[in-house]
Parts: sequence; structure tokens; C-alpha cells
Amino acid sequence: DAKTTQPTSMDCAEGRAANLPCNHSTISGNEYVYWYRQIHSQGPQYIIHGLKNNETNEMASLIITEDRKSSTLILPHATLRDTAVYYCIVRKETSGSRLTFGEGTQLTVNP
Amino acid sequence: NAGVMQNPRHLVRRRGQEARLRCSPMKGHSHVYWYRQLPEEGLKFMVYLQKENIIDESGMPKERFSAEFPKEGPSILRIQQVVRGDSAAYFCASSPTQRGGWNEQFFGPGTRLTVL
Repeated sequence: DAKTTQPTSMDCAEGRAANLPCNHSTISGNEYVYWYRQIHSQGPQYIIHGLKNNETNEMASLIITEDRKSSTLILPHATLRDTAVYYCIVRKETSGSRLTFGEGTQLTVNP
Repeated sequence: NAGVMQNPRHLVRRRGQEARLRCSPMKGHSHVYWYRQLPEEGLKFMVYLQKENIIDESGMPKERFSAEFPKEGPSILRIQQVVRGDSAAYFCASSPTQRGGWNEQFFGPGTRLTVL
């Protein structure tokens, strides 16, 4: 699975959009981009995933660049409860199911 | 539909004792994964099991650790002769039967093991 690079930490004001970047310059054609988050002391939570088209669900939007070397997770209206570590994971859809977590980005939403 | 359940939520053991961590997957899920999170570190994959089979144990320490997922009952992660370095949060995840693609993994709340 391709390696990802994320900023260590980010801050966001409550009610504003949080844009979390992820670089995955070595991604291959059959690898997907997944996002999970881990709120302090809880189990990770799936957010969204995509291959090359932008994706949106009730939690977030995922924007993947045309060359697929980077992506951005967007939380449109961040709340205090969105404070968490966000993990960007790149993997093949059928690569044995394990998730390889990196360091992630600590997002702090401030009132 | 109840989520992934893990028990106990907190477990304290003395060095040399055994620790048994249990995981009940979501209803209808036949795939279980165990991950470990050491203090101030990221989550690391340990083992992937289906009913009665270990599919991938490449993340398991070579000694003292074992896992099972019997036909009936929860998945068990067993740590024999615990040492202080085993103190960590252990997370279990489950996913439904895969049909040629990946399915979202649903995580439990974790078991926090403290070794005195």
C-alpha cells in the first residue's frame, strides 16, 4: 500500500470548514484513498473513501486531484465533536483487508 | 443492531499473568481484525481472522500472543506471561462477508490493558 503524508496538526474554528490534506504521490492506479478518524480514547471511525472521483456523504467530502497524488477531506461545518486524529490511508480494495494507519492529523476544533 | 463489543473495557494484570480480551463482532459479520495502540503511538494491525481461520497474523508478536475466532462465541486475543510493554489499547474491528471488494471495518471501543 502506498505511503501517505499528512500534517501533524491543524486547528479550525467551530462552524467553519475543515480541510485536511493528504499527499500520496506513489499511489497506483488500483489503490483507493480512505479516511478514518479516532476521537480521543475511542475506536477509529470510517469516514469516506474514493478512487478518483470526488465523493460526498453525510459526514464529509473527499476531493482527489486529477493526478491522484493528493486528496483533501472536507468537514463542511466543523463542530467541537469533530476534534480527533484523522487518518488518510491508501490501499488496494482487495489487499487483504488490513488497515495501515500512519501518524494522522490531530484536528482541534476551537469554539 | 449492536456495534462491535469488546470486554473487558479495562484490564489490569501483573507481570507474568495471562490476559484474555474478547471481541463480539457486529451481527452478520464474519471477519474480525485486532489492532494495538501503544501509548502515544499509532494503531498497528495484529491479526485478521474469519470463523475458525487465521487469515493474516503478520502483525502478531512471535511469542506469547495468540488469537482465535471459534465457530461459536467471540473472538479472543490471548496474551500469555504479560510484560509491561504489553500495556496498550487493543481494538477489535469487524466487517461483513466480502464479495470481491473491501468492506468498511467497524471498530469496537477497545480494551485498555495495564500491566503492573
